[in-house]
Amino acid sequence: ETGVTQSPTHLIKTRGQQVTLRCSSQSGHNTVSWYQQALGQGPQFIFQYYREEENGRGNFPPRFSGLQFPNYSSELNVNALELDDSALYLCASSSRSGNEQFFGPGTRLTVL
Amino acid sequence: GNSVTQMEGPVTLSEEAFLTINCTYTATGYPSLFWYVQYPGEGLQLLLKATKADDKGSNKGFEATYRKETTSFHLEKGSVQVSDSAVYFCALGVTGANSKLTFGKGITLSVRP
Repeated sequence: ETGVTQSPTHLIKTRGQQVTLRCSSQSGHNTVSWYQQALGQGPQFIFQYYREEENGRGNFPPRFSGLQFPNYSSELNVNALELDDSALYLCASSSRSGNEQFFGPGTRLTVL
Repeated sequence: GNSVTQMEGPVTLSEEAFLTINCTYTATGYPSLFWYVQYPGEGLQLLLKATKADDKGSNKGFEATYRKETTSFHLEKGSVQVSDSAVYFCALGVTGANSKLTFGKGITLSVRP
């Protein structure tokens, strides 16, 4: 069974740029959630995707957007990057019926 | 809204000491409760969970009991090891259409040999 994978591992961008982060869900899981973990903080929910539709969103501006593909993999896009967007971005997958989420290793984004 | 409060850290213990990490929550509905662990440079791993009141979750010597009357889910271990050094997060989730997790701030545990 393949776990949740994320790419890239690390990324450095400059303010104002755009970034795309990728996530492959665990086999058998059709729901993907994205979280932002700032340094020294707990993860904050960004949004969740189920069957290619956004299914809930946290307190993040519209420049944070996402996609889910038919194979249940997902992308997180962030436009007009700001310094405060520097964080570890975590993807988690789950089955529709369960609430146990399995996390990937994360993508460390640094905005200069 | 839902929220999770964890005790302030960091916590430093000697090997074989007893561990308690406090966690309290506020939630609407009937949440499930979780403890996640994060080792340096890694993502989150589920340590244990409890889905209803009075349930006890346990794994790798760690235990936590879902206390609805005190809205708590404290993590305990009788004898910690150096390998337990990590960041521990308490979280709650409500099963349903949007099963997002709400996390506490996390607490860093360091265990000395």
